Amino acid sequence: LAKTTQPISMDSYEGQEVNITCSHNNIATNDYITWYQQFPSQGPRFIIQGYKTKVTNEVASLFIPADRKSSTLSLPRVSLSDTAVYYCLGHSTLTFGKGTMLLVSP
Amino acid sequence: DAGVTQSPTHLIKTRGQHVTLRCSPISGHKSVSWYQQVLGQGPQFIFQYYEKEERGRGNFPDRFSARQFPNYSSELNVNALLLGDSALYLCASSFSLLSNYGYTFGSGTRLTVV
Repeated sequence: LAKTTQPISMDSYEGQEVNITCSHNNIATNDYITWYQQFPSQGPRFIIQGYKTKVTNEVASLFIPADRKSSTLSLPRVSLSDTAVYYCLGHSTLTFGKGTMLLVSP
Repeated sequence: DAGVTQSPTHLIKTRGQHVTLRCSPISGHKSVSWYQQVLGQGPQFIFQYYEKEERGRGNFPDRFSARQFPNYSSELNVNALLLGDSALYLCASSFSLLSNYGYTFGSGTRLTVV
């Protein structure tokens, strides 16, 4: 069973770059790594998905090393509205961990 | 385009009762998944349906059941409610089982069992 491990919480300030790393030692060889963002009392929102190397979209970048045992979500220049819980998971596992609570301060 | 819609948004039930939660996926999406999220925890997978067939089941008791209809909407049923069933129930949809854009979640149904 693919299990993910993330820091429980992280603190940052507005305008900084934030990197959240997720460990997923047993991810299936054909599975994609997906990251979600969740605000209180809302459903998770898809951020980005990748298989290997680097993926970038309009809100984030995802770095996945060749061994695929970890991945790093990079949020450039965070704002107060990025305060949320961030989850990583293998797409096909449908299994969320406890996520990382990111707190962005002024 | 409407997103994933869930109904009701909130409800209160008494222990031992039965509840039915409903989900309408995004138009064109054929996969629906159900999750339970208790306060302070990540969503826990309950069921996944694709093309009206069950494709996955999480570690939940038989009191939990679900189905998907020909129009791809879905129902989650929970029998003999326990206090511990109080949670936010989330529905998620995607076009296929392997989507390049992950799953789209609804805002959930907040179930309180008293």
